[in-house]
Amino acid sequence: QVQLVQSGAEVKKPGASVKVSCKASGYIFTDYYMHWVRQAPGQGLEWMGWINPNSGGTNYGQKFQGRVTLTRDTSFNTAYMELSRLKSDDTAVYYCARDLRSYHYDSSGSFYFDDWGQGTLVTVSS
Amino acid sequence: EVVLTQSPATLSLSPGERATLSCRASQSVSTYLAWYQQKPGQAPRLLIYDASNRATGIPARFRGSGSGTDFTLTISSLEPEDFAVYYCQQRNNWPRSFGQGTKLEIK
Repeated sequence: QVQLVQSGAEVKKPGASVKVSCKASGYIFTDYYMHWVRQAPGQGLEWMGWINPNSGGTNYGQKFQGRVTLTRDTSFNTAYMELSRLKSDDTAVYYCARDLRSYHYDSSGSFYFDDWGQGTLVTVSS
Repeated sequence: EVVLTQSPATLSLSPGERATLSCRASQSVSTYLAWYQQKPGQAPRLLIYDASNRATGIPARFRGSGSGTDFTLTISSLEPEDFAVYYCQQRNNWPRSFGQGTKLEIK
């Protein structure tokens, strides 16, 4: 079965960077886009971007352009999200989420999120 | 930017009752809309995609409908495990966006 296992909680100071990992198993890692979605405490969901694990190509939400970097290591079936210049309102749970469809079926990604990691709480506080 | 407005914010019902949740888009998203369920402390779970297609393993009591700007998630007969927060999400326009959620609580 598909599993996405994320790294543990982080506490960072304003201005710092954080890097969250998402290890995938149970499917061919390079066949499905991986998205990142965040959720501030008690708030709704916000899409941040995706990475094509096969090519390394990325697409970022405009709000996060210049601050977020998505990468992957196909040797370890792991995707990474790095967010820089952290602010207090970046405090949130960050999720990785696999696209519903293989990119062989939908080359631009379906932008529906079928399988999710357990989430990683990032707290930004001085 | 497409704004998705969900109503009601909170819905109080009893097990066995029918639930009707609404999601209205500020401009047409065709049928490119999904519904997710989220329980406390858990990640969201995909229920419905392309407005009316149930995701793998989702019970038949969950039904999605609508197109354009008006969408509905109907749960035909509530089970105890259905009480959660529900979000709609569109993939037709940039940026991809979610609604603010409807909390379905036990009456």
